[in-house]
Amino acid sequence: KQEVTQIPAALSVPEGENLVLNCSFTDSAIYNLQWFRQDPGKGLTSLLLIQSSQREQTSGRLNASLDKSSGRSTLYIAASQPGDSATYLCAVNLSGSARQLTFGSGTQLTVLP
Amino acid sequence: NAGVMQNPRHLVRRRGQEARLRCSPMKGHSHVYWYRQLPEEGLKFMVYLQKENIIDESGMPKERFSAEFPKEGPSILRIQQVVRGDSAAYFCASSPRRQENTEAFFGQGTRLTVV
Repeated sequence: KQEVTQIPAALSVPEGENLVLNCSFTDSAIYNLQWFRQDPGKGLTSLLLIQSSQREQTSGRLNASLDKSSGRSTLYIAASQPGDSATYLCAVNLSGSARQLTFGSGTQLTVLP
Repeated sequence: NAGVMQNPRHLVRRRGQEARLRCSPMKGHSHVYWYRQLPEEGLKFMVYLQKENIIDESGMPKERFSAEFPKEGPSILRIQQVVRGDSAAYFCASSPRRQENTEAFFGQGTRLTVV
């Protein structure tokens, strides 16, 4: 059974700092991995999608990496801003069943002005 | 192109009542997925549907919960005889094809409160 773990559960940083969020998964047979952002009381916004054949994806100040063999992904946020404050979720799409996403519990990020 | 639309955004039901949650996928998307987020927990898969077919309901509770995606109209998640433990945020996602190689787009969710 696929399990997804995100560390840390919560993170507080001053504005302008670069930071890394971690995601690990137990079954490396995945199709892809997706990072989402969730604001309080809101839905999920897709940030980056990494296919299993890729090692990283970039969008603006965000960079996500994937090491499938070790079951790890990182989300790097450069020059953090208070508007980045949210919960960040990673989700993996498991090969085979491949009809559902398995989510981590998220990292709650607070960027202090 | 409107995103995934869910309604209502907030729903309050008394114990024993029925809750009906609606999801309209993005235009051109024929695959719908329902997820539940319990308080202080991550999102858990419930059911995967295509038009008029339930493909995978392995995450659905065996009793009181049902889902449909008719040929016309939105997908419906129905919870009969709600209990306090059903209070959660219910999210719908859609994709143009099976989710294994496509990006999933989520709606804003329906927050169900059972009193």
